[in-house]
Amino acid sequence: QKEVEQNSGPLSVPEGAIASLNCTYSDRGSQSFFWYRQYSGKSPELIMFIYSNGDKEDGRFTAQLNKASQYVSLLIRDSQPSDSATYLCAAQDDKIIFGKGTRLHILP
Amino acid sequence: GAVVSQHPSWVICKSGTSVKIECRSLDFQATTMFWYRQFPKQSLMLMATSNEGSKATYEQGVEKDKFLINHASLTLSTLTVTSAHPEDSSFYICSARLGLAGGKYFGPGTRLTVT
Repeated sequence: QKEVEQNSGPLSVPEGAIASLNCTYSDRGSQSFFWYRQYSGKSPELIMFIYSNGDKEDGRFTAQLNKASQYVSLLIRDSQPSDSATYLCAAQDDKIIFGKGTRLHILP
Repeated sequence: GAVVSQHPSWVICKSGTSVKIECRSLDFQATTMFWYRQFPKQSLMLMATSNEGSKATYEQGVEKDKFLINHASLTLSTLTVTSAHPEDSSFYICSARLGLAGGKYFGPGTRLTVT
């Protein structure tokens, strides 16, 4: 069964620090990987997607992909209280499989 | 980014009745839309993949006669929960994929409460 694993958290990070979120996936056939942010009671919002090994940066966010290790991460620099949310990792082959999410709490 | 809307945003219905939820892609055409269900503190669970002009593909364990999906146009998919029961109470979210390999954009979700 294809799975995406995430630590449920909560992960507490001081404001201004770097938050590091990790994710592993079981399906080696996965080609695309996504990070979503979901505030409580709201629908997920796409933050970033990555296809190739290495780093992809967009503003304060950096996604990292290591296909050999089947590992995806999301770094959030200069963390803000508004970044407090649940972050969902997803991997796509023919379907998109979501992890259960990591709750991130930015401490003011 | 791409915009996906859902209507209604919340609905309360009595057990045994049917509820229709609409999902629209506002600024792009989506040949494929997806319907998810999310219970409290759980991740998204894919219910079905809705393809424009053809029958939806349901995930294992999802009753296709209970959750009717219609994708009549490139911008609209509907989910009808028939003969709703309290255990159907959940947060229903649709999404549409931008292009063949793009990320999914989610609608704001519909919170269904069956009394």
